[in-house]
Amino acid sequence: LAKTTQPISMDSYEGQEVNITCSHNNIATNDYITWYQQFPSQGPRFIIQGYKTKVTNEVASLFIPADRKSSTLSLPRVSLSDTAVYYCLVGESRTGGFKTIFGAGTRLFVKA
Amino acid sequence: SQTIHQWPATLVQPVGSPLSLECTVEGTSNPNLYWYRQAAGRGLQLLFYSVGIGQISSEVPQNLSASRPQDRQFILSSKKLLLSDSGFYLCAWSVQETGNTIYFGEGSWLTVV
Repeated sequence: LAKTTQPISMDSYEGQEVNITCSHNNIATNDYITWYQQFPSQGPRFIIQGYKTKVTNEVASLFIPADRKSSTLSLPRVSLSDTAVYYCLVGESRTGGFKTIFGAGTRLFVKA
Repeated sequence: SQTIHQWPATLVQPVGSPLSLECTVEGTSNPNLYWYRQAAGRGLQLLFYSVGIGQISSEVPQNLSASRPQDRQFILSSKKLLLSDSGFYLCAWSVQETGNTIYFGEGSWLTVV
């Protein structure tokens, strides 16, 4: 299983762009990179997923370099409600099943 | 659309008492099912996952067990709770063999006293 490393916490201000980088040096060929957001006392919620290059949706962008050993989640113009824990996940897909390991995540604090 | 529900949402149990948390998924068939635990202020720890009825894999040795009596039902149990079993328990599901997007339930807060 590919292990991920993220910063423990980050601070930002409303309206700023936030970039959270995740390292996954042992990513396998078939692995996808997925980011989740978790608010207190709730289950994590899917944000974005990618395999290589860049992916963008209405919430965020995901940048993945050619070697895929890292990825960066970009949140444009954050607001107070973006304060949450963000998890970088590198999934393992197996025949007949799938197993997911979450790391400690990055606690993002958005200030007014 | 698919939905996932788990219950109860909150419970306080004495040490040594049994535990049963139940989770059901609607709107899909043959999902992968998972139980995670999250201690206060910590990351998620995978406890069990299942790829089919009666097929359970345990990720960590512990005081808990899981069962999957039906395709979309996943149960987390304990015969005798320990203080260290306290935490936030999350049930989740994913589609088999199509990537790694996992969908989580609302969570269950367990306090063992």
